[in-house]
Amino acid sequence: GAGVSQSPSNKVTEKGKDVELRCDPISGHTALYWYRQRLGQGLEFLIYFQGNSAPDKSGLPSDRFSAERTGESVSTLTIQRTQQEDSAVYLCASSPASSGGQETQYFGPGTRLLVL
Amino acid sequence: GENVEQHPSTLSVQEGDSAVIKCTYSDSASNYFPWYKQELGKRPQLIIDIRSNVGEKKDQRIAVTLNKTAKHFSLHITETQPEDSAVYFCAAFYNQGGKLIFGQGTELSVKP
Repeated sequence: GAGVSQSPSNKVTEKGKDVELRCDPISGHTALYWYRQRLGQGLEFLIYFQGNSAPDKSGLPSDRFSAERTGESVSTLTIQRTQQEDSAVYLCASSPASSGGQETQYFGPGTRLLVL
Repeated sequence: GENVEQHPSTLSVQEGDSAVIKCTYSDSASNYFPWYKQELGKRPQLIIDIRSNVGEKKDQRIAVTLNKTAKHFSLHITETQPEDSAVYFCAAFYNQGGKLIFGQGTELSVKP
């Protein structure tokens, strides 16, 4: 079946503008995760959804970052008033489990965000 | 706090040699430890994982060992091939918050 998809694949924006990134998880997967990966760096946890609730938002870097999820499907990550340090690849992952990350997480291709 | 340390950050081996990557974690309650491979410009892909009820797991040329007492786990790749060249990430699942914490990655280069 289809894997995790993300859109757009690339986004170039000007400093101060808002951006919205989209993630479509694998159908039936209850858990959804957002990560940020700066160039040459590891995966930085941002937020985790179980269904449409977010038990853990502790990784969101600032109040400019927010995320929501509709039911057990699409999620959007919004970055307001973007800054140059927001430039990174934003990865989404989903897993089938109700117990969080103890099941395999399947990653999407990521959205490459460049803030000029 | 939640932390996963991964070493080395870069590793270069000759084709056919073995490669070992090591990770340590801080939460003794962690019970799930996956390893991901990320090729340049691609998404991370799970290559092997281990749960806390076993000490070792093997899949062809790849094996993972877990020492819960010492809170460390390792990835072993034998008979390395150029296509093994990638960045490898370890991760540990933290029950509190229900999330995976990733190591910083190891860039493996296998020279023909």
